[in-house]
Amino acid sequence: DGGITQSPKYLFRKEGQNVTLSCEQNLNHDAMYWYRQDPGQGLRLIYYSQIVNDFQKGDIAEGYSVSREKKESFPLTVTSAQKNPTAFYLCASSIDIGPGANVLTFGAGSRLTVL
Amino acid sequence: AQSVTQPDIHITVSEGASLELRCNYSYGATPYLFWYVQSPGQGLQLLLKYFSGDTLVQGIKGFEAEFKRSQSSFNLRKPSVHWSDAAEYFCAVGPFSGGYNKLIFGAGTRLAVHP
Repeated sequence: DGGITQSPKYLFRKEGQNVTLSCEQNLNHDAMYWYRQDPGQGLRLIYYSQIVNDFQKGDIAEGYSVSREKKESFPLTVTSAQKNPTAFYLCASSIDIGPGANVLTFGAGSRLTVL
Repeated sequence: AQSVTQPDIHITVSEGASLELRCNYSYGATPYLFWYVQSPGQGLQLLLKYFSGDTLVQGIKGFEAEFKRSQSSFNLRKPSVHWSDAAEYFCAVGPFSGGYNKLIFGAGTRLAVHP
């Protein structure tokens, strides 16, 4: 079955460390997204990518970086510059054009905790 | 500015009772509207979507939602709630901005179901 795989499910980080969250999809979707979820705040867009080797900042990109070297993969790095990285991170994908581009398929998420 | 408001942070209903979750949006044109559901520690699953046409939309798991343009609302309903419906529900609006498709999510409504 097609879907989105995020790993690891849980991740612990010491302050000052960079960590990378993996996101892989086999849906043949062109667009991929990273969202951050905090209790009571809904989802906030970190980065998105509509095509390989191209990505754009979302609303809260500071302290994060991404790459899109393959259509299937969109890893997110949480850098030491992110002041409050403890959160639940969700990767999503969609087709790129038309109304269906708004229909997101989500992964199961990665929970990052800074110790 | 575009926004989505879910006025109820927590709702508790008895199993078998009817359910209505409220969603109001602010948007300058006819929006695309969505309801997603999230079980604890999981990603989001699409319940239903409205693009155009019939304002009463049927979704999965027995849910429906009605788009009321005059009230800028897209409330989610279910006639008889099951214990497995306990989850967090997110309303989202899909505007088109800057050449890419970006969803704006509400803060969510957490549903508890009493036996």
